Amino acid sequence: QTVVTQEPSFSVSPGGTVTLTCGLTSGSVSTNYYPSWYQQTPGQTPRTLIYSTSSRSSGVPDRFSGSILGNKAALTITGAQADDESDYYCLLYLGSGISVFGGGTKLTVL
Amino acid sequence: QVQLQESGPRLVRPSETLSLTCDVSGFAISFGFYWGWIRQPPGKGLEWIGSIHHSGKTYFNPSLKSRVTISVDTSMDRFSLKVTSLTAADTAVYYCARHELTGSKDFGYWGRGTLVTVSS
Repeated sequence: QTVVTQEPSFSVSPGGTVTLTCGLTSGSVSTNYYPSWYQQTPGQTPRTLIYSTSSRSSGVPDRFSGSILGNKAALTITGAQADDESDYYCLLYLGSGISVFGGGTKLTVL
Repeated sequence: QVQLQESGPRLVRPSETLSLTCDVSGFAISFGFYWGWIRQPPGKGLEWIGSIHHSGKTYFNPSLKSRVTISVDTSMDRFSLKVTSLTAADTAVYYCARHELTGSKDFGYWGRGTLVTVSS
């Protein structure tokens, strides 16, 4: 069974840059997996940040960017702000209608 | 503005069947797209359950497929989820969302979610 992997936690200083990754236990992530990224603060609905690897959803600040780095999808936050402290989830499309979320990364800004 | 709203019971008993409905406004289901269900157990991550097209075509998470049914009512702009043989592990916030499965594959619009507790 294919599992989508994410760092369980990460920390960044205010104003700093952080890159969260999204990989596979078997194989490499490419644009063919249509990686998307979601931000969720406690008790809130997930918010779509990035779709199709690198396209920003409407209203998402340009300090959030998506890419493929090596064999993983990546979400980079440049100039982190206090309200970026959230859980971040990636979603990969495995084909044949099947989608899988990663376990999420808890980002701390301190 | 596409909006989704989940409704259904907040407490269900073990071994029973959960039935949830998602009402869509601001967009006619018959116009296209897939419509999906995602859940999140308390303190845990997101899990895709399954998605349905207005034509009735469905896709399911293989780990849940044997217990899940998703249906659509285009006349009411509504789609529904049923999960059978419930256990405490099915306790979660259940979200409905528009699933851009024919294009970018992401979930573009989400409902606010409804917490369902499985307990006797």
